[in-house]
Amino acid sequence: QVQLQQPGAELVRPGASVKLSCKASGYTFTSYWMNWVKQRPGQGLEWIGMIDPSDSETHYNQMFKDKATLTVDKSSSTAYMQLSSLTSEDSAVYYCARTLSNAMDYWGQGTSVTVSS
Amino acid sequence: DIQMTQSPSSLSASLGERVSLTCRASQEISGYLSWLQQKPDGTIKRLIYAASTLDSGVPKRFSGSRSGSDYSLTISSLESEDFADYYCLQYASYPYMYTFGGGTKLEIK
Repeated sequence: QVQLQQPGAELVRPGASVKLSCKASGYTFTSYWMNWVKQRPGQGLEWIGMIDPSDSETHYNQMFKDKATLTVDKSSSTAYMQLSSLTSEDSAVYYCARTLSNAMDYWGQGTSVTVSS
Repeated sequence: DIQMTQSPSSLSASLGERVSLTCRASQEISGYLSWLQQKPDGTIKRLIYAASTLDSGVPKRFSGSRSGSDYSLTISSLESEDFADYYCLQYASYPYMYTFGGGTKLEIK
């Protein structure tokens, strides 16, 4: 069965960077684009961007193009998102979600990122 | 960019009640819409895609429909596990942009 495994939580200092992971299993990793989505506490969902694991082509929401960098490691079927210059505005839960026929189908459990000194 | 206006933002309903949620698209999205359910523990599950196609394993009390630029999710008879947050998601702008509705919090009356 399709699974997207994400670490539960990360604590990071303001101004630092963090690299979040999403390990895929149960399907051919390189055959489906992977998305990343942000959810701030008590708020709705925002699309950050997506990556094609077969060739690392990316598309970003313009709002996040200077904040997020998407990469993959095909050898371990893992997608990554690096967030830079973190502030309190970046404290949120970050989800990965697979794309099937243009729509997101399976979602990871999310990683909660807390930016605090 | 396409905007998705979801209503209501919150809804209080009883077990067994029929409820409907709506998303209005600011531009034509040609049925490229899905509905997501988010449980209190954060788990997100897709219920419907292509406006009205039920995902495998999703109970038949869930249904999706379209009327012009309005897209609706209907739950025919609420069960306890249905109390959650619901979001619509347009993917007509794929691969350049996805847009979520603002969400509906469905609570027990």
